[in-house]
Amino acid sequence: AQSVTQLGSHVSVSEGALVLLRCNYSSSVPPYLFWYVQYPNQGLQLLLKYTSAATLVKGINGFEAEFKKSETSFHLTKPSAHMSDAAEYFCAVSDRNNDMRFGAGTRLTVKP
Amino acid sequence: DAGVTQSPTHLIKTRGQQVTLRCSPKSGHDTVSWYQQALGQGPQFIFQYYEEEERQRGNFPDRFSGHQFPNYSSELNVNALLLGDSALYLCASSPLAAGDPRLVEQYFGPGTRLTVT
Repeated sequence: AQSVTQLGSHVSVSEGALVLLRCNYSSSVPPYLFWYVQYPNQGLQLLLKYTSAATLVKGINGFEAEFKKSETSFHLTKPSAHMSDAAEYFCAVSDRNNDMRFGAGTRLTVKP
Repeated sequence: DAGVTQSPTHLIKTRGQQVTLRCSPKSGHDTVSWYQQALGQGPQFIFQYYEEEERQRGNFPDRFSGHQFPNYSSELNVNALLLGDSALYLCASSPLAAGDPRLVEQYFGPGTRLTVT
């Protein structure tokens, strides 16, 4: 079965600092991987996805993620944090039927 | 385009009761998936509906059932509610994929917050 593990339930950065949110996956087949963001009292919004094309994936709001097969990782980064980036971030893996398996989430706090 | 809508926004029920949650998919989408998101956790897949039939199901008991209507809207029913059913229930819709279904994006609604007392 496919699964993802998010390292760190809470990450705090200063405004303008690098954002790094970690995700490792487990999959018996080439995975499709996703990052979603959830703002308070809202649903999930897709940030970016990896579908076996380019290993460096660029998403919305300046976020990007790199697929590293050797490390079974798909970490999310942003060079410079903004106050509006404060939210819950979820990594997910999809099976062949688009059944999404989510990690437990990482809450990002951005300090002024 | 209204996107994915869910009703009600919030709901409070008592243990043992039954509840029905509703979802209208994004225009042009015919596949609906339901997820349960407990507090502090990631969403857990409940089941997916396509062409009015349950196409796949996650690890949830039979107390959780669903339905999809000809207009693609969907309902999630939970019987004999338990305290542990308290969660945010998310609906996601996607269009039919001509090839690999993972290539189509799932659009999530804002969710229904269910509290069981």
